[in-house]
Parts: sequence; structure tokens; C-alpha cells
Amino acid sequence: QSVLTQPPSASGTPGQRVTISCSGSSSNIGSKTVNWYQQLPGAAPKLLIFTNAQRPSGVPDRFSGSKSGTSASLAISGLQSEDEADYYCAAWDDSLKSYVFGSGTKVTVL
Amino acid sequence: EVQLVESGGGLVQPGGSLRLSCVASGFTFRSYWMNWVRQAPGKGLEWVANINQDGTQIAYVDSVKGRFTTSRDNPQNSLYLQMNSLRAEDTGVYYCVRDLSGGASYWGQGSLVTVSS
Repeated sequence: QSVLTQPPSASGTPGQRVTISCSGSSSNIGSKTVNWYQQLPGAAPKLLIFTNAQRPSGVPDRFSGSKSGTSASLAISGLQSEDEADYYCAAWDDSLKSYVFGSGTKVTVL
Repeated sequence: EVQLVESGGGLVQPGGSLRLSCVASGFTFRSYWMNWVRQAPGKGLEWVANINQDGTQIAYVDSVKGRFTTSRDNPQNSLYLQMNSLRAEDTGVYYCVRDLSGGASYWGQGSLVTVSS
């Protein structure tokens, strides 16, 4: 049972906008910054969003992150076939004294 | 080019030990927190441990406390994970990760650990 709750799956057609939610608590998302990671099939995870909404260089601007209270969201606009991957949110948890990940959301491009 | 190369994985019996290594290149290793993250087959990501720049601050997930030990050798640009009393539930790919919670996060390709009799 993950500390951060994500939907197991999300899907859309090419060009559509897809949003993934990540729900936590006051001990993690509510008081700490959120990162998002993308894991393409058979590959290692890669940083997609850091500090809630910042994109590392090289990440397309169709990926965006936001945070409000104890929840965070990742949006993918203009969905492309190469966006098919697993997406994980993550944050430090002050109560557990651990870095915690969401359960992951598999994005499918229809 | 930033590189993190893990090694040392393999098949081990329950109760056995393994030592993972991660060699870093392409950046100033001694300037970063380093982490170990694992992924069981077909499952999600789980943070295992982290260590600060000079090795004076170390933290572990509860499930490995007392069994796993992480350390680093800055002159050798290397990170280590000593895993003892291994259990079947420790099976998975172990990733070496730079700056996991920050904006400079970078992951190695991983090393597979299989605990089975």
C-alpha cells in the first residue's frame, strides 16, 4: 500500500490532454516538494518534474506539474505515442522519515 | 556525460549477502546526496537508502534497517550497498540515483538482485 495514491491507469488519443493525480497527506505533499518520474518500458526512471512544477532541461513543455494542499498533479498536453510509460509522483515523508513514491500510473496512448 | 553504473547483482539464496557498487562519472560525485531505489518485478518504485555528501548522514527504509548498509568512497567516485540476511522480498532491480528529490536527479540503469533457493 503506497503512501501516495495515484490512479493505476490513464489514457488518451494523440493530441489529447491527460492528467494524473497524486494524493498524499500533511507529512509529505502537504509540507514537502513533489517530483515526478517517467519510466519508459524496459528503461530506468527519469526525472520529469521537480519542486512541484519545474521542468529539467530537455523535458518538453507539454509536461506540467502543480501542487495544491496535500495533492499534486501531472498534466500531459498534446499527448504523443512516445509518452506511453509509467509515471510516479514522489516526496519526502516527515513522519516515516522516508522518501515515498506513488503507486504509479500507466499511461496508454490509444 | 553523467553516468552511474551499478554492478554486483545476481542470484543469492535467502539469508545470503550481496554487495552492490555504483561508479559515477561525468559530475562532481562528492557534491551530491546519493540514493538507492529498488523495483520488484512488475511493481512500483521503493526508496531504500540515502547518504549525504560526506557520508555522515544516512537513512534507510524500515524494511531494510539492520540488514543493509550504504557507504561511499568519494575519491573513487563510488557508492555501495551491502545487503545481508537477504529475503525473497528483496528481489528486484536496484537503482543508484543522484539527488533523488532534487532537480539534478539522475538514475543508473540498475542491477538485478534475485533472492531464491
